[in-house]
Amino acid sequence: DGGITQSPKYLFRKEGQNVTLSCEQNLNHDAMYWYRQDPGQGLRLIYYSQIVNDFQKGDIAEGYSVSREKKESFPLTVTSAQKNPTAFYLCASQTGTVTGELFFGEGSRLTVL
Amino acid sequence: QQQVKQSPQSLIVQKGGISIINCAYENTAFDYFPWYQQFPGKGPALLIAIRPDVSEKKEGRFTISFNKSAKQFSLHIMDSQPGDSATYFCAASTTSGTYKYIFGTGTRLKVLA
Repeated sequence: DGGITQSPKYLFRKEGQNVTLSCEQNLNHDAMYWYRQDPGQGLRLIYYSQIVNDFQKGDIAEGYSVSREKKESFPLTVTSAQKNPTAFYLCASQTGTVTGELFFGEGSRLTVL
Repeated sequence: QQQVKQSPQSLIVQKGGISIINCAYENTAFDYFPWYQQFPGKGPALLIAIRPDVSEKKEGRFTISFNKSAKQFSLHIMDSQPGDSATYFCAASTTSGTYKYIFGTGTRLKVLA
């Protein structure tokens, strides 16, 4: 089945450690996004990529990094510079139609101990 | 100007009742208004969407009402069911250029059996 696969589903990290969240899609979508979800704050855009080897910062990019070496993959690294990394992270890809529907993965919950 | 304001933050409705969630925007360049539904531990999924050339769109028990002059749109869930219990996000985007979505802060709906 086509879709977005995020891993791991749950991740625990000690302060000062970098962690990488995986996002893979087999929908053949060009655009991919990373969102952070916190209670009461909706979905906030971290980074997005519209094409391989190119990506742009979203609204809350500080402390995060991404790469887009393949169309199917858009990993997110949460660095030690991110001051409050405990959150639910969602990856999405987007169709190229006029309406640009977003397809989300099931998310990764990161907890910093 | 880039915000989408969503209310209420939470909503409790009896089974069979009508659930109403409201959103307001400021940027008149927005021309696509989707609603996403998210169940606990899952990623959001597109529920229904509207373009500003119509004032209402209905899909089953779900209806979007759109008021272009007031820059407001709302989701109505008729005959609400316990299975509708989820978090609902409104969003807005432009269909030209980058499809960056601006999401509302979400409404947690609980439908009592």
